[in-house]
Amino acid sequence: QKEVEQNSGPLSVPEGAIASLNCTYSDRGSQSFFWYRQYSGKSPELIMSIYSNGDKEDGRFTAQLNKASQYVSLLIRDSQPSDSATYLCAAVNNAGGTSYGKLTFGQGTILTVHP
Amino acid sequence: DTGVSQDPRHKITKRGQNVTFRCDPISEHNRLYWYRQTLGQGPEFLTYFQNEAQLEKSRLLSDRFSAERPKGSFSTLEIQRTEQGDSAMYLCASSLNLMGGGTEAFFGQGTRLTVV
Repeated sequence: QKEVEQNSGPLSVPEGAIASLNCTYSDRGSQSFFWYRQYSGKSPELIMSIYSNGDKEDGRFTAQLNKASQYVSLLIRDSQPSDSATYLCAAVNNAGGTSYGKLTFGQGTILTVHP
Repeated sequence: DTGVSQDPRHKITKRGQNVTFRCDPISEHNRLYWYRQTLGQGPEFLTYFQNEAQLEKSRLLSDRFSAERPKGSFSTLEIQRTEQGDSAMYLCASSLNLMGGGTEAFFGQGTRLTVV
């Protein structure tokens, strides 16, 4: 079992819809979570971070964290064709206060927003 | 541009040759990471520096790989005797160690290595 798991997709949504991307993790020591967007052939770009249970909103993006269920999600409202990319979920194990900030990534979910 | 910078962006080399990549982190960041990404996969951790000290190395980092961060500034990743399986995108990231805070890491553009 991978430490961070994502459905590889592809996930296809119409323009203007809400895209919902999901991620589960197995390491209970993970306390920091990140969503990166990666366009084809480019490097990952940080779009959201979340550290506490609940929702965190930033513009059209909302990250949700449920540590009891070991589940992280990213919602993209009013999806645009420019949102078409691979979305990577990543976790950091902060247990014991000795975290080096090492990211453990899922394999990514390919999102396609069609006009 | 004050982001993470990597050089070169692309490298094609023959099997058995040595290659070296450079990473310049965001200037105030004390943490520097190297990751490797192959097609269809998420990035995999290779190694981590806090200032000039290399504090963690992945089992993925065989003895053909070496990384340095002299003076805690830029970093280099060298691969000796390259193999076709080394073909991948090599990503550098940096972050600032915040006491009690998060550890948001920012990536450079990556170096795409092709071993022929």
